[in-house]
Amino acid sequence: DAGITQSPRHKVTETGTPVTLRCHQTENHRYMYWYRQDPGHGLRLIHYSYGVKDTDKGEVSDGYSVSRSKTEDFLLTLESATSSQTSVYFCATSPQGTTEAFFGQGTRLTVV
Amino acid sequence: DAKTTQPPSMDCAEGRAANLPCNHSTISGNEYVYWYRQIHSQGPQYIIHGLKNNETNEMASLIITEDRKSSTLILPHATLRDTAVYYCIVRVTGANNLFFGTGTRLTVIP
Repeated sequence: DAGITQSPRHKVTETGTPVTLRCHQTENHRYMYWYRQDPGHGLRLIHYSYGVKDTDKGEVSDGYSVSRSKTEDFLLTLESATSSQTSVYFCATSPQGTTEAFFGQGTRLTVV
Repeated sequence: DAKTTQPPSMDCAEGRAANLPCNHSTISGNEYVYWYRQIHSQGPQYIIHGLKNNETNEMASLIITEDRKSSTLILPHATLRDTAVYYCIVRVTGANNLFFGTGTRLTVIP
């Protein structure tokens, strides 16, 4: 799994609270991604990073922000969690110049 | 990225070949066909990819039609552990997203 660790693996939080999910990789891959997976929607890209401090929006970025201060870490922040952000979140990494992506085990987030 | 169409579900007997079809009739000349699978609630796993030639690795074979408008993923001897959702994706090399769609849920039956 390209040494990808997501934390936490499970989290329950209240509406309106900030939440940060962490993705840590040990493979020195340049690209990192955050996806969410919901029933009936498959996986949808939230944000991605193509290098340290280089990030861009995906197809469902509203309500999310990201940061990448080091190659190995990619943080996803929900500034004010809403019930619609209850989902399973997957981090992925990819070496530069290839498109084979490696996924973490996911974080199940429940917003109550 | 080109859109793909896959059947929502398929069954396969254990030990038999599983043939999973994918239609990508709007694929462009520089788009590759990728296959991933997701077992239960785990993260997706890369299986194989190709441009226009057939490809084989230790997990599967990928057959792409000559006009590249469709492809088939073949698991030669399906086992119960191959039960998963299989995603067919077309993508330009270096593009920054993988559009997964909803895939095909393959159930391997004992």
